[in-house]
Amino acid sequence: DAGVIQSPRHEVTEMGQEVTLRCKPISGHDYLFWYRQTMMRGLELLIYFNNNVPIDDSGMPEDRFSAKMPNASFSTLKIQPSEPRDSAVYFCASSSDRINNEQFFGPGTRLTVL
Amino acid sequence: QQQVKQSPQSLIVQKGGIPIINCAYENTAFDYFPWYQQFPGKGPALLIAIRPDVSEKKEGRFTISFNKSAKQFSLHIMDSQPGDSATYFCAAKRGDTASKLTFGTGTRLQVTL
Repeated sequence: DAGVIQSPRHEVTEMGQEVTLRCKPISGHDYLFWYRQTMMRGLELLIYFNNNVPIDDSGMPEDRFSAKMPNASFSTLKIQPSEPRDSAVYFCASSSDRINNEQFFGPGTRLTVL
Repeated sequence: QQQVKQSPQSLIVQKGGIPIINCAYENTAFDYFPWYQQFPGKGPALLIAIRPDVSEKKEGRFTISFNKSAKQFSLHIMDSQPGDSATYFCAAKRGDTASKLTFGTGTRLQVTL
């Protein structure tokens, strides 16, 4: 298996633009997580899905952030409009209850909002 | 609310030393305590994990010590190597929340020659 795949790996955009981050989880995993990592706040859970259904979105910072999982092999995290304080590394992770709950992380997307 | 407190924030040890990273938790419903290792430019990866029915778990040079009464657990790296230089995160999972993990703030470890 190729592991969790994220795209793009790097994104530079200007304030006010829409940003869409993409994630393909490991095949057969039924949980998908979106995290944000910054020096100031560490690793924050934004939202997670179980069987494509959002379970907990309490970490989503505000209405500018939205996430979808239209099927078991694809998820998006959208920021609209983007702001400089959204600059961070965004990770997607997937897991399965059948494999000891280990979360497998993708390589991350480094987002810079100018 | 920070439910898993991790210390220190950063740590520098010489090759062969034994760095120790500590974590404390508040929620007694946590029943799974993993440690993740993250190298620069990479996502975190599971290193070792423990459940509260044992007080210690060892995998290679990495050991978790767990103190249920104190609600604390720690990671020890024996005979540390420069290749161990990374950021380490402790985490905890509640028994009723499936795979959701609560992470500590991370410890940046540097192992010097």
